[in-house]
Amino acid sequence: DAGVIQSPRHEVTEMGQEVTLRCKPISGHDYLFWYRQTMMRGLELLIYFNNNVPIDDSGMPEDRFSAKMPNASFSTLKIQPSEPRDSAVYFCASSFTWVEWSSYNEQFFGPGTRLTVL
Amino acid sequence: AQSVTQPDIHITVSEGASLELRCNYSYGATPYLFWYVQSPGQGLQLLLKYFSGDTLVQGIKGFEAEFKRSQSSFNLRKPSVHWSDAAEYFCAVGAWDDAGGTSYGKLTFGQGTILTVHP
Repeated sequence: DAGVIQSPRHEVTEMGQEVTLRCKPISGHDYLFWYRQTMMRGLELLIYFNNNVPIDDSGMPEDRFSAKMPNASFSTLKIQPSEPRDSAVYFCASSFTWVEWSSYNEQFFGPGTRLTVL
Repeated sequence: AQSVTQPDIHITVSEGASLELRCNYSYGATPYLFWYVQSPGQGLQLLLKYFSGDTLVQGIKGFEAEFKRSQSSFNLRKPSVHWSDAAEYFCAVGAWDDAGGTSYGKLTFGQGTILTVHP
């Protein structure tokens, strides 16, 4: 398996523009997570999906952020309009359903998208 | 709610020296514990994890970590550091979370420790 795939790897845009980040989870995983990493706040969970359904979006900072998962192999995180404070590295991760005491319980991370909003 | 503290923001060691990165967690039950490494411009790679059994766990790249319940710690160690180990290291605690109505494995990360290796 190629692992979690994210695109683009780098994105530079101007304030006010729409930005779409993409993620392909590992095949068979039923959970997908979007994280944001900044120097000030570290790694934050933005939203997660279970079987393509958004479950908890309490980490999404504002209404400017939205995420979708139209099928089991694709998810997007959209920022509209983008602002300079959205500059960060955005990670997608996926996992199987965790089973108590299972050695398979972990999350697999993609390489991230470095977003710069000018 | 669970939390993780990595007391050292930045550590510098010489190549060949031993390394210990500290991690303290807070959680009411036995947690799942993880160490991830992030090289510059890269994603997070799992080094090792603990969920039960032997409290000394071996990972990739020659790393090991020891779970000490009495100290709520899960420190990462390596006997001899290589220049390629320079990276940022994250400790994480995993636990079931019921937010949103489903139970899933939620990871809570520490702030990270940046490791610099001098030749």
